[in-house]
Amino acid sequence: KAGVTQTPRYLIKTRGQQVTLSCSPISGHRSVSWYQQTPGQGLQFLFEYFSETQRNKGNFPGRFSGRQFSNSRSEMNVSTLELGDSALYLCASSLDGGTTDTQYFGPGTRLTVL
Amino acid sequence: DAKTTQPPSMDCAEGRAANLPCNHSTISGNEYVYWYRQIHSQGPQYIIHGLKNNETNEMASLIITEDRKSSTLILPHATLRDTAVYYCIVRVGGVYSGGGADGLTFGKGTHLIIQP
Repeated sequence: KAGVTQTPRYLIKTRGQQVTLSCSPISGHRSVSWYQQTPGQGLQFLFEYFSETQRNKGNFPGRFSGRQFSNSRSEMNVSTLELGDSALYLCASSLDGGTTDTQYFGPGTRLTVL
Repeated sequence: DAKTTQPPSMDCAEGRAANLPCNHSTISGNEYVYWYRQIHSQGPQYIIHGLKNNETNEMASLIITEDRKSSTLILPHATLRDTAVYYCIVRVGGVYSGGGADGLTFGKGTHLIIQP
């Protein structure tokens, strides 16, 4: 079974631009979560989607948004990019997002904001 | 979710067993212990999880103390490819209601270095 895939793997943007990242979950998984990883803050939870609905959200500004499609694929968008948004963005999928449901991570998208 | 404490770094010789400790003294009865690892700049990889009994899979063994306040992840025969940051995470288990599961809370983990 194929793992979680994320595209693109690397991205360079400039301040003020917006960016969209894509995540395809493991086949049959309906929950998709997004995380941001920076050297200073470590791995932080952004939000979780299930059946096209955002069910939970971490402590990030409204510039960070996402959506999920009927096939469970998910996108996250960051508007008005800031230098501090440079990070590794990780997507994880699980069967239904239950708290004992194992999350499987993709390889991440490395975003650099200049 | 309960807080965990791990040593920041550890060394282990290749071929030997690597024993990674985790302290979770405030763990509640319905909280599971999860272990993930992250090889440099890759996505975290799930290793194993457990509630109160010891668990073993093809990657590792998880030993949880009887009072559940600490656990040890054991990699039986460490190889150079096991060099990574290992995260111990405690998470509430069971059926949740309403608004979806919170994300996993990652601490700083243990940087395990396997020496040739």
